[in-house]
Amino acid sequence: AQSVTQLGSHVSVSEGALVLLRCNYSSSVPPYLFWYVQYPNQGLQLLLKYTTGATLVKGINGFEAEFKKSETSFHLTKPSAHMSDAAEYFCAVSFNDMRFGAGTRLTVKP
Amino acid sequence: EAQVTQNPRYLITVTGKKLTVTCSQNMNHEYMSWYRQDPGLGLRQIYYSMNVEVTDKGDVPEGYKVSRKEKRNFPLILESPSPNQTSLYFCASSLSAGLGAEAFFGQGTRLTVV
Repeated sequence: AQSVTQLGSHVSVSEGALVLLRCNYSSSVPPYLFWYVQYPNQGLQLLLKYTTGATLVKGINGFEAEFKKSETSFHLTKPSAHMSDAAEYFCAVSFNDMRFGAGTRLTVKP
Repeated sequence: EAQVTQNPRYLITVTGKKLTVTCSQNMNHEYMSWYRQDPGLGLRQIYYSMNVEVTDKGDVPEGYKVSRKEKRNFPLILESPSPNQTSLYFCASSLSAGLGAEAFFGQGTRLTVV
């Protein structure tokens, strides 16, 4: 069975600060991992995904995530937060179907 | 434009009154699914469909029905809604069930059952 755990339901950063959203996965087979973003009153859209190959994955809007098998982690980072990054972020793992974490709400303070 | 379209976006209904939330995709995707989103619980899968006429239960199917008569459409039916079905619902589609296939989501339907 696959699952993901997102550490921290709320994260608050100042504009210009590093964004770090944590995700750990559990999978008995090599996982496919995703980060999705949900802006207010909208559906989810894909930020980035890891399938195979390079473990550092770059996504849209300056986000990136690193797949670390030894730590079973897929944390999402962005060097400098912008006000427009305020949203809810979901980590997901996929093999036969897609399983989502509980989500992390990111607040960006001016 | 590739998209998943859900209707309605907002719905307030009374307990026991049957309702249908429609979902349509224009990407010729095989796989479609319904999720509900509740605070602190993330997205939980209600039902999914691998292809036309093939549907199966997800993690929280109680109180819901679905059908897949055409590839593009996957309506969610609540035969007798109850207040615990008040939630934000998303339809999603993808090329396949997993294996790295990206899921495309509708805009969501916010349902309130009073």
